[in-house]
Amino acid sequence: SQELEQSPQSLIVQEGKNLTINCTSSKTLYGLYWYKQKYGEGLIFLMMLQKGGEEKSHEKITAKLDEKKQQSSLHITASQPSHAGIYLCGADGNGNKLVFGAGTILRVKS
Amino acid sequence: KAGVTQTPRYLIKTRGQQVTLSCSPISGHRSVSWYQQTPGQGLQFLFEYFSETQRNKGNFPGRFSGRQFSNSRSEMNVSTLELGDSALYLCASSKTLAGQETQYFGPGTRLLVL
Repeated sequence: SQELEQSPQSLIVQEGKNLTINCTSSKTLYGLYWYKQKYGEGLIFLMMLQKGGEEKSHEKITAKLDEKKQQSSLHITASQPSHAGIYLCGADGNGNKLVFGAGTILRVKS
Repeated sequence: KAGVTQTPRYLIKTRGQQVTLSCSPISGHRSVSWYQQTPGQGLQFLFEYFSETQRNKGNFPGRFSGRQFSNSRSEMNVSTLELGDSALYLCASSKTLAGQETQYFGPGTRLLVL
């Protein structure tokens, strides 16, 4: 079965700094989703990547999909306290079943 | 457009009891999936319903069951609760069963089993 490994597990950055979170799959990626979660709350959809080489941006968050490496990266530019939370990558399993990584906890110090 | 709603938001039960959680998908969405999130296991897929039929199932014991109604609302039931069932239960909806379709999540129901 497919497994997703996220790195780092947690991250503390100074406000204004850039950061990158990685998600590596054990199998070929056909669809990769990034979600953000505030502790104990639901997941907020950030973006979805479908094709190798695809890159999407939303405000100061950019995600890329490297099909050959079976990896996706999420990059945040000029981090703000509002970026703090848990970032989860998810990939299509069988049908609509999503398989998730363990998550990356991001803290932004102001 | 209203998002996915889940009720109740918080629940405390004792071992051996049963519990029913409810999920209302985004209007027009016909697929509802349920996930369990715990600190130890992370987010794990429970099952998925589409047009009142279970289409996909994760690796959970038979104590976990669900159903979907004709209006796409879904309920999840856990019988004979165990301490390890304490978790955040999330439901997600999407328009169809097709793969690579974005799932939108509700706020979750936090279940505590004492």
